[in-house]
Amino acid sequence: SQQGEEDPQALSIQEGENATMNCSYKTSINNLQWYRQNSGRGLVHLILIRSNEREKHSGRLRVTLDTSKKSSSLLITASRAADTASYFCATDAGGKLIFGQGTELSVKP
Amino acid sequence: GAVVSQHPSWVICKSGTSVKIECRSLDFQATTMFWYRQFPKQSLMLMATSNEGSKATYEQGVEKDKFLINHASLTLSTLTVTSAHPEDSSFYICSARDGTSGGKEQYFGPGTRLTVT
Repeated sequence: SQQGEEDPQALSIQEGENATMNCSYKTSINNLQWYRQNSGRGLVHLILIRSNEREKHSGRLRVTLDTSKKSSSLLITASRAADTASYFCATDAGGKLIFGQGTELSVKP
Repeated sequence: GAVVSQHPSWVICKSGTSVKIECRSLDFQATTMFWYRQFPKQSLMLMATSNEGSKATYEQGVEKDKFLINHASLTLSTLTVTSAHPEDSSFYICSARDGTSGGKEQYFGPGTRLTVT
């Protein structure tokens, strides 16, 4: 079953710009995680934010979590062509991860 | 960091045959492993959760007699697609949770691309 919805489904930006992706979910969660997937490849874990946290940073990544709205956002600052990938949010509610639909990010040099 | 491997990385089989995919945790003990399926341009769909030494728990709509999961040891889980059909062609990804550390993070394998002709 799919828990999360992400928007936009696709995002195209120029190198150096910021990219923001949003994720909404339906049920209570223990934590929310963001992953990156290059075309046809495995997943790379980016960041985990717990349900009692509101914001978390990791390098050029900034994640926010609003449990009252059941939503999260991932901000990538100063994007690079190498950031081109699909990005997925995944909610952990009871031990298993349920993935959102994903956002396909294209960063043009 | 924790590493999960999958074998094979890709496989082509004929319709009606069975295919086994292995998922191994290389440097930790995985008490729980998960199997996902991903169709082109789509998200990962959880198929089943397997705990070492017990039967797998399948998600709604996943045929347990078609997708056989065995988690016989703390470092190995296998997914067997029985009587494969072209519609089973997909990217199968496993993940493993480190049971000894009590961590929340799942470590993902690189995936196995199955093509059924």
